[in-house]
Amino acid sequence: DQQVKQNSPSLSVQEGRISILNCDYTNSMFDYFLWYKKYPAEGPTFLISISSIKDKNEDGRFTVFLNKSAKHLSLHIVPSQPGDSAVYFCAASAYSGAGSYQLTFGKGTKLSVIP
Amino acid sequence: NAGVTQTPKFRILKIGQSMTLQCAQDMNHNYMYWYRQDPGMGLKLIYYSVGAGITDKGEVPNGYNVSRSTTEDFPLRLELAAPSQTSVYFCASKGPSYNEQFFGPGTRLTVL
Repeated sequence: DQQVKQNSPSLSVQEGRISILNCDYTNSMFDYFLWYKKYPAEGPTFLISISSIKDKNEDGRFTVFLNKSAKHLSLHIVPSQPGDSAVYFCAASAYSGAGSYQLTFGKGTKLSVIP
Repeated sequence: NAGVTQTPKFRILKIGQSMTLQCAQDMNHNYMYWYRQDPGMGLKLIYYSVGAGITDKGEVPNGYNVSRSTTEDFPLRLELAAPSQTSVYFCASKGPSYNEQFFGPGTRLTVL
């Protein structure tokens, strides 16, 4: 059972337009959500995060929105640039005992920004 | 700072062979993690550690072992390699006061 779901395997967007990546989760114990960006042959790099007590967090061109009642979050990239082309992973964190915080990842969405 | 480093970058094993994937971090992080990523899938947690001498199983621990004798190093051991262990392996670390994990560049392992 997937606790974190990214239902769109891929997304294509024109350069300069908005990219919206979506993520749904099922576990109510998740209290922190993160987005990671991954280029081929590299490790994931942290992009932006949001605590469950907030509904929006913004960092430059990247904004994450959280709708707790719908168990849904989204990442907005405005304006999209060709360098944003990568796989984006949604991840959720929950305290798992013994001082440990584990991340549960979605399957990822491949974003292609077309020049 | 080098961050999180992993060696080797690539490796091909024969069925039944063993190997150790190395992971090191220079950020003095207590938390360290091992993940595997299969094609088209998200990252799945194999093992994790909350500090030197303390390790615990993640979602997919079968066929793997870990040790954590120092804060810096967190090696992952495959004892009897199987084709199902063909994957890309990522090591990550996390500090105490934030939730973000920092990832290494990965090791691509093929078992034939």
